Amino acid sequence: AQSVTQLDSQVPVFEEAPVELRCNYSSSVSVYLFWYVQYPNQGLQLLLKYLSGSTLVKGINGFEAEFNKSQTSFHLRKPSVHISDTAEYFCAVSPFDGQNFVFGPGTRLSVLP
Amino acid sequence: KAGVTQTPRYLIKTRGQQVTLSCSPISGHRSVSWYQQTPGQGLQFLFEYFSETQRNKGNFPGRFSGRQFSNSRSEMNVSTLELGDSALYLCASSLRQGTYNEQFFGPGTRLTVL
Repeated sequence: AQSVTQLDSQVPVFEEAPVELRCNYSSSVSVYLFWYVQYPNQGLQLLLKYLSGSTLVKGINGFEAEFNKSQTSFHLRKPSVHISDTAEYFCAVSPFDGQNFVFGPGTRLSVLP
Repeated sequence: KAGVTQTPRYLIKTRGQQVTLSCSPISGHRSVSWYQQTPGQGLQFLFEYFSETQRNKGNFPGRFSGRQFSNSRSEMNVSTLELGDSALYLCASSLRQGTYNEQFFGPGTRLTVL
């Protein structure tokens, strides 16, 4: 079974400041890793995913994440946030066989002017 | 290209009733997955359908069921509704089977059980 932990339920940050949203996972099998974003009153949108290869993954809207196998982490970063980045961010894992999909509890990012 | 559409967007039911939610995937997508989102439990995977067959299933009771039609549209049914079934139900479509593929989410159906 897989589980995902997002240690910060809320992260306030000022506009143009850098941000890191933390994600740790637990799994007995190899997994693929994802970050999704949910804007208010909307469905989820894929930001980026790690399937294999380079551990540094670049996504949309200037976000990037780094897979660290030894620490079982997949933290999301952005060097300079905008007001429009205010949303809820979900880390998720899927085992290689795609038989399940587990989301973390989410981190609410609030970008302040 | 039109996105994933879900109908209805809002629904109010009473305990004991049943409900059917509909999802139309992006044209060409053959996989449809369903998720339940609640403040307490967060986002939870319900099931995935591909080529009219349920391929994967989350840990939900048998009251939750679904089906997929030949045009890839999918319906989800919840029987004997309970108060705890109040949630946002999200549908997602992807080109291929397997939740590791990029999923495109609809706006959801908000179900309220009174």
